[in-house]
Amino acid sequence: AQSVSQHNHHVILSEAASLELGCNYSYGGTVNLFWYVQYPGQHLQLLLKYFSGDPLVKGIKGFEAEFIKSKFSFNLRKPSVQWSDTAEYFCAVVAGGYNKLIFGAGTRLAVHP
Amino acid sequence: KAGVTQTPRYLIKTRGQQVTLSCSPISGHRSVSWYQQTPGQGLQFLFEYFSETQRNKGNFPGRFSGRQFSNSRSEMNVSTLELGDSALYLCASNPGQSTGELFFGEGSRLTVL
Repeated sequence: AQSVSQHNHHVILSEAASLELGCNYSYGGTVNLFWYVQYPGQHLQLLLKYFSGDPLVKGIKGFEAEFIKSKFSFNLRKPSVQWSDTAEYFCAVVAGGYNKLIFGAGTRLAVHP
Repeated sequence: KAGVTQTPRYLIKTRGQQVTLSCSPISGHRSVSWYQQTPGQGLQFLFEYFSETQRNKGNFPGRFSGRQFSNSRSEMNVSTLELGDSALYLCASNPGQSTGELFFGEGSRLTVL
């Protein structure tokens, strides 16, 4: 069965620190990869996506992610976090068509001023 | 453009009752998906509807059902409620492509007593 693993459940950073959140998936075929974010009190929204092409993708608010096929990974990065990045981040994969997203368990990020 | 609208936002039911949740997708979106979010199981796919037809289903018991109307609005129903059905139920819409790029509503929070 397809699955998504997120390495960190809770991350605490100070403003201006760099961020990297790990994500690994299990599926041998073609996948679409996503990072979704849920800010406090807000709905889940798309942060960035990878379908094909350049494995380094850029999303909103300065986030980027790198797809490494050989490692089945899609790690999220941001060079310098802000207090407003405090949120829960979900890695997700679609494999086999349609819109059935398989989500990771999520990472709660807290950024302190 | 209005986002995905879910009603009701909060509801409390008792065990054995049934509940119906409603979702209005973004105008022009023909695919509607439903997800269950709980602290223990995370985000889990329930089902997806496209053009009034269910085209994908997750691993939930038959007590969970849904439907989609000709105007793309969707409802999901849970019968014979159990305590474990307490969750945030998220609806998401998509223009119709099978990409996994979804636009989520704020959810309906169901508490079963």
